[in-house]
Amino acid sequence: QKEVEQNSGPLSVPEGAIASLNCTYSDRGSQSFFWYRQYSGKSPELIMSIYSNGDKEDGRFTAQLNKASQYVSLLIRDSQPSDSATYLCAVAGGPNFGNEKLTFGTGTRLTIIP
Amino acid sequence: DVKVTQSSRYLVKRTGEKVFLECVQDMDHENMFWYRQDPGLGLRLIYFSYDVKMKEKGDIPEGYSVSREKKERFSLILESASTNQTSMYLCASSLWGGTSTDTQYFGPGTRLTVL
Repeated sequence: QKEVEQNSGPLSVPEGAIASLNCTYSDRGSQSFFWYRQYSGKSPELIMSIYSNGDKEDGRFTAQLNKASQYVSLLIRDSQPSDSATYLCAVAGGPNFGNEKLTFGTGTRLTIIP
Repeated sequence: DVKVTQSSRYLVKRTGEKVFLECVQDMDHENMFWYRQDPGLGLRLIYFSYDVKMKEKGDIPEGYSVSREKKERFSLILESASTNQTSMYLCASSLWGGTSTDTQYFGPGTRLTVL
């Protein structure tokens, strides 16, 4: 079983719709969760971080964390063509992952269709 | 803004050569990391350092070594480059987060080709 698992996609969403990206993780003791966006040929950039159960909103982005079910999701409202990218889920903390290291999923490729 | 820079964007080396990849950050971050990224495999941690002269192996340290002589600089060394080390190499840095984990900021990456 992969430690951090994401649907590789590609996920295609019409412009203006809600894009939903999901991530599950294996280390129940994980404490810190991150979503990074990576455009083709570029390095990852942070979109959201979340540390507590529930929702965290930042503009058009909402991160949702459910530690009991060991999943974290990212919702993108009013999707724009500029949101087309690969989205990486990263997890840290807990006995297996450790506090300072991030363990990344392989990413979900999102395409917004105009 | 945090700035992480890497010495080269593209590098072509021959099998058996010694290769140095340099990373510099300007935000006084304690932690620095080296990853490689390959299609279908995602980002994999090679080594990280949480202080000057300190280093820890990541998930795939074989064939690599690192050096951190100054807080702002973290070097990745391929002692004898091989074709299976052809990859995108990404450096990152973060503050020491204590009991939680702080955000990692990435450099632009170095695409290394070993012929």
